[in-house]
Amino acid sequence: DVKVTQSSRYLVKRTGEKVFLECVQDMDHENMFWYRQDPGLGLRLIYFSYDVKMKEKGDIPEGYSVSREKKERFSLILESASTNQTSMYLCASKFRTSDLWSNEQFFGPGTRLTVL
Amino acid sequence: GQNIDQPTEMTATEGAIVQINCTYQTSGFNGLFWYQQHAGEAPTFLSYDVLDGLEEKGRFSSFLSRSKGYSYLLLKELQMKDSASYLCAVMDSNYQLIWGAGTKLIIKP
Repeated sequence: DVKVTQSSRYLVKRTGEKVFLECVQDMDHENMFWYRQDPGLGLRLIYFSYDVKMKEKGDIPEGYSVSREKKERFSLILESASTNQTSMYLCASKFRTSDLWSNEQFFGPGTRLTVL
Repeated sequence: GQNIDQPTEMTATEGAIVQINCTYQTSGFNGLFWYQQHAGEAPTFLSYDVLDGLEEKGRFSSFLSRSKGYSYLLLKELQMKDSASYLCAVMDSNYQLIWGAGTKLIIKP
């Protein structure tokens, strides 16, 4: 079974703090993703990575950065947390493939971040 | 712009059938996914469709019409454990997923 784990289920931080969210997958997936999920909105892509040390901006990268030093680990960094970054953060991974039927993304359990 | 529409909430009775619709307008189409997400948990994959028609997988079926930009998820013999949010997502021409806001399904005894 594919397993995607995230470092924390719940996190409370103060405005201005630097926040690290970590994600680890154990299936040797090339692609990894960070989303945020807010009520009434679909999952919104923050950043993704196709390979080690590679990163691409998603739809809402402002205020975030990422790091992918090892294939299995993808970190999301909030340089200076703000209250509008209070959200559920979901990490996902999948194989890089040209086979359309193999594009399923596997998700971690999520981190609910509250910024006070 | 890209848009995925699905109802915000639906209610159904245990043992009944429910159809959750999803309409989309995207730049390109490389398939449509349905995911299930129980409250506080990770989304889990239910189905992927890229060809028109109905695909049945046990109690769950998914339908796609590319010409109409329309899909539905059909859940039969509803069980209380089917209470969850159902997320529709389209893979666009860049192979990125565009997500709907999800449909919260409430099952009543």
